[in-house]
Amino acid sequence: DAKTTQPNSMESNEEEPVHLPCNHSTISGTDYIHWYRQLPSQGPEYVIHGLTSNVNNRMASLAIAEDRKSSTLILHRATLRDAAVYYCILRGGNYGQNFVFGPGTRLSVLP
Amino acid sequence: DAGITQSPRHKVTETGTPVTLRCHQTENHRYMYWYRQDPGHGLRLIHYSYGVKDTDKGEVSDGYSVSRSKTEDFLLTLESATSSQTSVYFCAISRNTLDSGAGNQPQHFGDGTRLSIL
Repeated sequence: DAKTTQPNSMESNEEEPVHLPCNHSTISGTDYIHWYRQLPSQGPEYVIHGLTSNVNNRMASLAIAEDRKSSTLILHRATLRDAAVYYCILRGGNYGQNFVFGPGTRLSVLP
Repeated sequence: DAGITQSPRHKVTETGTPVTLRCHQTENHRYMYWYRQDPGHGLRLIHYSYGVKDTDKGEVSDGYSVSRSKTEDFLLTLESATSSQTSVYFCAISRNTLDSGAGNQPQHFGDGTRLSIL
């Protein structure tokens, strides 16, 4: 399964934008790039996903490099509620079963 | 929130006993997954299902079995629980789309079951 690499931790100030990077140099042509986040004692929460084009939704934006070997999750205005572990995951397989969680990035948001 | 219910939410049991965890969904999604989460390992796939009575193994399937007799329920069974199976277990669901398949759909996770085996 294709793997991703992310920084172990990042810090941001409240109400400032946050750019969370992810490298996935071995991505295959059919893998979708997914982002999830997990708060303590909760299940992972879907944030956003994309294939080739940049994507926006109410939670975040996803910027995908032209060669698809890296991507960046953008939180436009960080809030204290955005403090979580963020996972970048490549999803593939006929049943979407290729879905490997790495250690993720622990985001701290400072007031 | 996706309609996923895991039961029980917490369980403590003894080594050698059978344990069954239940995942129930109200979304009529085709795909269902069981993961375990341990410190230092992130979430790892145990088994998954791609339809009623259609299941397959994931990365860490040894010691676990699953069954899916109807769309809404996916059961995970530990036939003879061991201390190494102490973990937090998450169920997830995902829909399929005819044009792009399961990879183009989010997975939605339940709140987890905290299982302790003494």
